[in-house]
Amino acid sequence: QLQESGPGLVKPSETVSLTCTVSGDSFSTYYWSWIRQAPGKGLEWIGNIYYSGSTKYNPSLKSRVTISVDTSKSQFYLKLSSVTAADTAVYFCARDTRSGMRRMDVWGQGTTVIVSS
Amino acid sequence: DIQLTQSPSFLSTSVGDSVTITCRASQDIRSYLAWYQQKPGKAPKLLIYVASTLQSGVPPRFSGSGSGTEFTLTISSLQPEDFATYYCHQLNSYPQTFGQGTKVEIK
Repeated sequence: QLQESGPGLVKPSETVSLTCTVSGDSFSTYYWSWIRQAPGKGLEWIGNIYYSGSTKYNPSLKSRVTISVDTSKSQFYLKLSSVTAADTAVYFCARDTRSGMRRMDVWGQGTTVIVSS
Repeated sequence: DIQLTQSPSFLSTSVGDSVTITCRASQDIRSYLAWYQQKPGKAPKLLIYVASTLQSGVPPRFSGSGSGTEFTLTISSLQPEDFATYYCHQLNSYPQTFGQGTKVEIK
């Protein structure tokens, strides 16, 4: 139901752009999150977006992150600027329910981003 | 940010055993805690949400409890497919945060 896509390899200092395509869901019912996982490490929440365009970001990345949405395509996007080797990770998108029963219950399979010259 | 501390970080155990993983939050997160299972190369899979609600399709040997700052995930009678890494996740406030993970391995 969620499918990430992206360039795979990015050079240091560049901007990486990822897309998450949502299928089979009511796009306007949920929030949509990006999460990443560096090799051998734990999970880090990057930020989320509502269909209206309202966003929340992790302060640790806020200066470099932009999340946007295109409801006509049922897609949302992540742009991460000025990347370094520390941004090498698997990037997941997930459905983020913010009602009373809060949870991330649907995840994409993840897309790997490697930052290297 | 709310810090989540899982214990233990590593468990070596056997098929059929019961295990309990604890997640402690640095602040009150009410019941907005979820548990995920992750296997190598795969996305996390939701097991439990709002501390104790079993996700549809998840076997009842998985259970969760707690509120406030202390939570537990219990797996009764471990099955071979349960050997994985488990993460807790708080959705009470932004930024959302995850525990560091607990790896459950076969003894």
